[in-house]
Amino acid sequence: EVQLVESGGGLVQPGRSMKLSCAASGFTFSNYGMAWVRQAPTKGLEWVATISYDGSSTYYRDSVKGRFTISRDNAKSTLYLQMNSLRSEDTATYYCTRGMGGFAYWGQGTLVTVSS
Amino acid sequence: DIVMTQGALPNPVPSGESASITCQSSKSLLHSNGKTYLNWYLQRPGQSPQLLIYWMSTRASGVSDRFSGSGSGTDFTLKISSVEAEDVGVYYCQQFLEYPLTFGSGTKLEIK
Repeated sequence: EVQLVESGGGLVQPGRSMKLSCAASGFTFSNYGMAWVRQAPTKGLEWVATISYDGSSTYYRDSVKGRFTISRDNAKSTLYLQMNSLRSEDTATYYCTRGMGGFAYWGQGTLVTVSS
Repeated sequence: DIVMTQGALPNPVPSGESASITCQSSKSLLHSNGKTYLNWYLQRPGQSPQLLIYWMSTRASGVSDRFSGSGSGTDFTLKISSVEAEDVGVYYCQQFLEYPLTFGSGTKLEIK
C-alpha cells in the first residue's frame, strides 16, 4: 500500500525557516517524480514544486522561487521541502504527492502557520 | 500561466440525479501527441484530494464508473451519474500541460 507521511509543520514566525519531510513507502520511491501541493485555510489547491525521479530537475511556482527548495533522498525514500523567508501567505496545509503532472497519491498533509 | 475556470453547481443536487461540472482552460490542453493534459480530483470534507480522472477521460484505479470525463482542448466536463452521499465534496480540475501546474478554484457538490 502506498503511503506518504508528512512531518515538520507547525507555527513559525515570518522571515524564519522550516523544513518539511515526507516519508514514502509501498512503492519504489526512486522511480517516481514527486511534488508538494498546498492549500491555504478554506482555499483551493495550489501547486508548489516538483522534482524528477532522480532529483536532476526541479520546478517551482514563481511565488516560492528562490525561497523554497525541493529535494529528495532516494536511499531514505524521503522527500523534502526547505522553506526560507516564510511569509504569512505561505500559511497552508502542505501535501506531499506522487507524480510529475497527475497526482494519484497524497499524504494527509502538514499544517504550516506563519505568524508572529 | 494557464488559468483554469470552473463552473458552479445548482446545489443541492437530489440524490440519484446526475451532475455535470465544467472546467475551462485559457489555453488548449491538447498536446501534439493526441493526449489532453487535464485531471479531475475530489476532496471530501476533512480529507486529502483523490485523483478521479486523468488524461481528461481515463478513470483512476478504483474510481466508480459513475464518474466520466469529456471535453475538447479548452472545455471540459466531469459528469457524475446518479449522485450519492459519498460524492459530497469539492471537485477540482488541473492542467499538467506546462509549469506552473494550475488548478481550478473548485466546485462544491452538496446532496439533497
